[in-house]
Amino acid sequence: SAVISQKPSRDICQRGTSLTIQCQVDSQVTMMFWYRQQPGQSLTLIATANQGSEATYESGFVIDKFPISRPNLTFSTLTVSNMSPEDSSIYLCSVVLAGGRNEQFFGPGTRLTVL
Amino acid sequence: GNSVTQMEGPVTLSEEAFLTINCTYTATGYPSLFWYVQYPGEGLQLLLKATKADDKGSNKGFEATYRKETTSFHLEKGSVQVSDSAVYFCALSRTTDSWGKFQFGAGTQVVVTP
Repeated sequence: SAVISQKPSRDICQRGTSLTIQCQVDSQVTMMFWYRQQPGQSLTLIATANQGSEATYESGFVIDKFPISRPNLTFSTLTVSNMSPEDSSIYLCSVVLAGGRNEQFFGPGTRLTVL
Repeated sequence: GNSVTQMEGPVTLSEEAFLTINCTYTATGYPSLFWYVQYPGEGLQLLLKATKADDKGSNKGFEATYRKETTSFHLEKGSVQVSDSAVYFCALSRTTDSWGKFQFGAGTQVVVTP
């Protein structure tokens, strides 16, 4: 497995502001993903974070709203821009470890509340 | 497209009862199947997995068997504890055209009472 950390663990933000969430992994990974978990719901994939290039977004998510960076193999950031109360969710990063095994490991999540 | 259907919760049980959470899937090809658990206030943890038909995944007393003929991956535990109270997610992953992408079910909340 791997140790995956996310910062911040939680935050309360004002409408119209932006928040950047960091994800750091202690092992080599091949893939990194960002998910959103709205209150009481399942996980929805936002995007695949690609090292050194633009992220690949799922339907319904756009780069202007959720810019993502991945400057190296073990670190990625997700920014939630121009926030509204509808963005209140848990945001999770996940990774697939180098070695080819098709498993995803999740970070502890960032609980975001937008007022 | 791919989809995962889980039984709705909450499922409320007494300690030492038998737990079953149904999960069925729709996918082309041969996906890998997973169960994840989310304890209150925490992230998701991989509970068990199976990568091919008739495989049985097991961990912490939980078991699930990959049934291709019924496209199912039901989770079972013979004797639950209060500490098993959590939300359980069934998921599938394709390994071909959408490698690494997971499709999650809606989650089933399990509440175990003393």
